Amino acid sequence: DAGITQSPRHKVTETGTPVTLRCHQTENHRYMYWYRQDPGHGLRLIHYSYGVKDTDKGEVSDGYSVSRSKTEDFLLTLESATSSQTSVYFCAISDGAQDEQYFGPGTRLTVT
Amino acid sequence: SQQGEEDPQALSIQEGENATMNCSYKTSINNLQWYRQNSGRGLVHLILIRSNEREKHSGRLRVTLDTSKKSSSLLITASRAADTASYFCATDGQGAQKLVFGQGTRLTINP
Repeated sequence: DAGITQSPRHKVTETGTPVTLRCHQTENHRYMYWYRQDPGHGLRLIHYSYGVKDTDKGEVSDGYSVSRSKTEDFLLTLESATSSQTSVYFCAISDGAQDEQYFGPGTRLTVT
Repeated sequence: SQQGEEDPQALSIQEGENATMNCSYKTSINNLQWYRQNSGRGLVHLILIRSNEREKHSGRLRVTLDTSKKSSSLLITASRAADTASYFCATDGQGAQKLVFGQGTRLTINP
């Protein structure tokens, strides 16, 4: 398995609180991605990074920000969590933009 | 909007039978990928087929690609209980730096 971890694995938080999810890789892959997975919507891209400090928006970026200060770490921040952001969040990495992606184990976030 | 869409949404078959899932997409692609997701886990890459390929095999998996119809199929032969999972296709737009995933086919293999 690719060396990719996510933390925390589970989190319950209250509406309006900030939340940061961390993705860490040991593969030195250039690309990192954050997805959310919800029933009926499949997997949707939130943000992605194509290098240190290089990020771009995905399909559902509103309410989320990201940062990548090191190759190995990609942070996803919910500035003020809302109940609609209750979801399972997956991080993925890839060597090239159109190469196979390796996924982390996921973070289950519940916003009450 | 989703680039790739799988069909059927759910499929239930007996162990030992073959399972076929289809994926349709809308715009030109460089390649198409298939992933598997076991319940509660991250996605796992199965196979990548390039736009200039028509068929690709990997073990019990066979993937076809028809770029004229903008469609792909994933065939799993001699299914096993361990094949129970959701299967997703993912496509890139030419020049895109990201993949777009479909909603997946939920496959259940009955013993």
